[in-house]
Amino acid sequence: EVQLVESGGGLVQPGRSLKLSCAASGFTFSNYYMAWVRQAPKKGLEWVATISTSGSRTYYPDSVKGRFTISRDNAKSSLYLQMNSLKSEDTATYYCARHRATVATFDYWGQGVMVTVSS
Amino acid sequence: DVVMTQTPVSLSVSLGGQVSISCRSSQSLVHNNGNTYLSWYLQKPGQSPQLLIYKVSNRFSGISDRFSGSGSGTDFTLKISRVEPDDLGVYYCGQGTQYPPTFGSGTKLEIK
Repeated sequence: EVQLVESGGGLVQPGRSLKLSCAASGFTFSNYYMAWVRQAPKKGLEWVATISTSGSRTYYPDSVKGRFTISRDNAKSSLYLQMNSLKSEDTATYYCARHRATVATFDYWGQGVMVTVSS
Repeated sequence: DVVMTQTPVSLSVSLGGQVSISCRSSQSLVHNNGNTYLSWYLQKPGQSPQLLIYKVSNRFSGISDRFSGSGSGTDFTLKISRVEPDDLGVYYCGQGTQYPPTFGSGTKLEIK
């Protein structure tokens, strides 16, 4: 059974940093592109980052480019999101998601982790 | 960026009934490889999204045949037949043809 379990969320002040983790199991992690997708309270879904199987390629929307860094450790079947210079508009539930092949279709999602950016 | 527009915003249906949700993209979703990467997701109350349909009309593993997707180019539809109580939630369309991947704003399905 595919499982994605996020951790590392919490309350953080504007301008500070936070690192999210996602532990994957039930599939060969190194064979899949992975992503982070977020959802602000009572809002829709917003893609945040994608990483290739080896980690050599990463993709971001303009809203987080230069502030967020996605990475992975295939030996540990783990995905990470380093978030710097956090803003109030980054407040959201962050989901770890698996790509279906290399395409941005997300076939499995974690339960999500809440990040609140507030002073 | 590709803008995904979903209609209606919400709808109410009786158990056993049928509903359709529309999704339109601001650009064609036909990829260079000929595939169309339009997906449908359901987010049940208090849960994370789950994939229902991928590449317009392909049901994901374990998804009931009561769910069907259709469309091409920029116009797509999700149909749910014989609606059951477990179908309630917010339905999102999403495109993976172009980066950045984008989603519609969602359609909330309520059971009468």
